[in-house]
Amino acid sequence: EPEVTQTPSHQVTQMGQEVILRCVPISNHLYFYWYRQILGQKVEFLVSFYNNEISEKSEIFDDQFSVERPDGSNFTLKIRSTKLEDSAMYFCASQWGLAGVDEQYFGPGTRLTVT
Amino acid sequence: AQSVAQPEDQVNVAEGNPLTVKCTYSVSGNPYLFWYVQYPNRGLQFLLKYITGDNLVKGSYGFEAEFNKSQTSFHLKKPSALVSDSALYFCAVRDSVGNTGFQKLVFGTGTRLLVSP
Repeated sequence: EPEVTQTPSHQVTQMGQEVILRCVPISNHLYFYWYRQILGQKVEFLVSFYNNEISEKSEIFDDQFSVERPDGSNFTLKIRSTKLEDSAMYFCASQWGLAGVDEQYFGPGTRLTVT
Repeated sequence: AQSVAQPEDQVNVAEGNPLTVKCTYSVSGNPYLFWYVQYPNRGLQFLLKYITGDNLVKGSYGFEAEFNKSQTSFHLKKPSALVSDSALYFCAVRDSVGNTGFQKLVFGTGTRLLVSP
């Protein structure tokens, strides 16, 4: 069964450094998402992406964040200058359908630790 | 904005007994509801969804959920729990405007299910 993959599984970085989290969505999917889960808290939406554009972003997704689909397979989340409060598990998800009723498939996540 | 609530932080059940994990929702318009499960150190796995149609939705691993419009609930159920069902369960609702493909999910706080042998 196809699955969403994410690398790295764990990233440790110092405050102020840039990080890039990588995702390979399921190949025929059209919609891509990033969510995050701070330890012990609920999963929060960050951004949705379709046709090489951001379609929606949350208040969390400020100017320090950016997303890109540099080629036909990868989908990346960049944090330009990390803060301590960016420490969280980051999940990538992809969705096939156009009707908005298809389920999202989530990757295993990247645990980001900012020190 | 759409929201879901999971009133129980943890549910304890003995193996072989039926289980229920509760979820209530608040939406404007038609609700699109989902259940996901998270095993330790793993991502979210889709279990089932309600879009329209039958109020009883069947999903993966023997789980089902009952949509109740009058009570605005979407409780997850399983007739006979397994120890391997122990995990974190999230209810979610689609929070996107209009008839588009975009599907921002709003998650509940999660309920930890602990099934004892």
